[in-house]
Amino acid sequence: EVQLVESGGGLVQPGGSQRLSCAASGFTFSHYWMHWVRQGPGKGLVWVSRINSDGANAVYADSVKGRFTISRDNAKNTLDLQMNSLRDEDTAVYFCVGGWNYKFDLWGQGTLVTVSS
Amino acid sequence: QSDLTQPPSVSGSPGQSITISCTGTSSDVGKYDLVSWYQQHPGKAPKLIIYEVNKRPSGASNRFSGSKYANTASLTISGLQTEDEADYYCCSYAISDSWVFGGGTKLTVL
Repeated sequence: EVQLVESGGGLVQPGGSQRLSCAASGFTFSHYWMHWVRQGPGKGLVWVSRINSDGANAVYADSVKGRFTISRDNAKNTLDLQMNSLRDEDTAVYFCVGGWNYKFDLWGQGTLVTVSS
Repeated sequence: QSDLTQPPSVSGSPGQSITISCTGTSSDVGKYDLVSWYQQHPGKAPKLIIYEVNKRPSGASNRFSGSKYANTASLTISGLQTEDEADYYCCSYAISDSWVFGGGTKLTVL
């Protein structure tokens, strides 16, 4: 069974940092591009970042560029997102997503990050 | 990286067909045949239902179909069923190696 399980969400103050993790199982993790997609409360989906299959290349949405860093460990089948300088507008459920050929095939259940003082 | 434009809501009766539009620009929808569609039920993760404009992944209902003309993509759901009631999002690959989603469309099955 394919599983993507996110962890690391919680309450963080504006300007603070948070690290999200995603544990993958049930598929060949190292073959997939991996993404983070977020969804603010009552809002739509927003693509955040992508890392390629070997971890050598990462891209980011303009809204998080310079603040967020995506990384992966293919030996441990894990994906991470380091989030710094967090803002109120970063409050969202963050989904870990596996993608093949420019689409989002495999989704985790998400982890909620709340940025508030 | 602007959102693709979708109608906020659509509705239909069981058995009917509905179409959801998704309008982008020449930098995303118009440039690539890499439009995908996702269905999201409340409190659940999104699910891929259409990719590369008009292809269905294994397990997706054949009542879902997709198309594209110029900068606008469309999702058609035929033979509406009550379980189709959900939010639907389009997404396109875009220049600068990025992805952009639509704002989402809430489908109500009357």
